[in-house]
Amino acid sequence: GAVVSQHPSWVICKSGTSVKIECRSLDFQATTMFWYRQFPKQSLMLMATSNEGSKATYEQGVEKDKFLINHASLTLSTLTVTSAHPEDSSFYICSARDSQGGSEQYFGPGTRLTVT
Amino acid sequence: QKEVEQNSGPLSVPEGAIASLNCTYSDRGSQSFFWYRQYSGKSPELIMSIYSNGDKEDGRFTAQLNKASQYVSLLIRDSQPSDSATYLCAVKQGGSEKLVFGKGTKLTVNP
Repeated sequence: GAVVSQHPSWVICKSGTSVKIECRSLDFQATTMFWYRQFPKQSLMLMATSNEGSKATYEQGVEKDKFLINHASLTLSTLTVTSAHPEDSSFYICSARDSQGGSEQYFGPGTRLTVT
Repeated sequence: QKEVEQNSGPLSVPEGAIASLNCTYSDRGSQSFFWYRQYSGKSPELIMSIYSNGDKEDGRFTAQLNKASQYVSLLIRDSQPSDSATYLCAVKQGGSEKLVFGKGTKLTVNP
């Protein structure tokens, strides 16, 4: 149980284009999902907390107009990186908390984004 | 600044030994504590959660929590080369949905 999927697993895009990443909880409902970014050899950085049916809460320093988050259902949250630039190249990972469970966060496998 | 501190390592142990990973946290209101394992290039995987003082065992893993000392640890018995990874300590603070992560301890188990 507690499986979270992400799609795509990797993506290469040109500078200036937008990329959408999907995060799905496969066997549980997730009122709350989280989006993280991780640069090589660095620790996880929380970008935003996504709540179903409401606006996401962004961490300080994260541009909400650049990283658009939509959590339209209890099993799906999406992150859209708009007007991507090479410095946005990173490993993007989502996690989800089971609405019927405890405080554990279950992570998706991550999406590796490369902007050329 | 509410922080979670871990020794960055690397921690190196021989196969079959006990690996001991430590974590301290600054927020006394913290309620829930987690250990995640992250292999290189992969996302974190939850291996243990602990909510009350004392020990919690799951297979070769034992989590220990001491709220008075604001300390949580993870013991890995009979360490295997496949345990080689970065171990992340995460703390959920009271009143927040978020987890605060330590920077992780890199463990290497030598055959």
